[in-house]
Amino acid sequence: AQTVTQSQPEMSVQEAETVTLSCTYDTSENNYYLFWYKQPPSRQMILVIRQEAYKQQNATENRFSVNFQKAAKSFSLKISDSQLGDTAMYFCAFINRNNQGGKLIFGQGTELSVKP
Amino acid sequence: SQTIHQWPATLVQPVGSPLSLECTVEGTSNPNLYWYRQAAGRGLQLLFYSVGIGQISSEVPQNLSASRPQDRQFILSSKKLLLSDSGFYLCAWSVVLRGRREQFFGPGTRLTVL
Repeated sequence: AQTVTQSQPEMSVQEAETVTLSCTYDTSENNYYLFWYKQPPSRQMILVIRQEAYKQQNATENRFSVNFQKAAKSFSLKISDSQLGDTAMYFCAFINRNNQGGKLIFGQGTELSVKP
Repeated sequence: SQTIHQWPATLVQPVGSPLSLECTVEGTSNPNLYWYRQAAGRGLQLLFYSVGIGQISSEVPQNLSASRPQDRQFILSSKKLLLSDSGFYLCAWSVVLRGRREQFFGPGTRLTVL
């Protein structure tokens, strides 16, 4: 069975600093996608960044980047120059590319607080 | 562009009453559709998913049911609500775009069962 683990229930960071959120996953598949979603207090789920497992290059979206270590099954999210608006729950998610149902498997989330 | 609607946004219902939550998608065709529940602001639990009209897969045994009467409409129902049905319900859709599967979420419905 595929699982996603986020070992940090809560984290905090000072505004303008950098923070890294951890995620590990377990799968026997070789072809899959990984995602980070952000859920602010409004509770809207927002896709932050995506990584295809076949790509060695780490994905980057503005201040958000990932450290994808396929052999270690690790997928951490780095937020640079943290802003107050980054305060949210962050969920790591996995999907098997060959899964016809397209079902996402989520971690339990990390609650990030950005402090002024 | 693709848009997903959910209603109502909030709902307070007594135990034993029926439930109907609706989700509709615009701007895409033949999407996979999903219902998730999120309790106490934590992880998302997949309840149902559908790969086509009338096709429903249930992930966990529960008091709820789902239906997909039209390609872009997904309904979550219950005949008799339980206290444990309280939570935040998210509808999502996904398609393969440019060779990549994308999944997007609706704004959610906060359900309180009293």
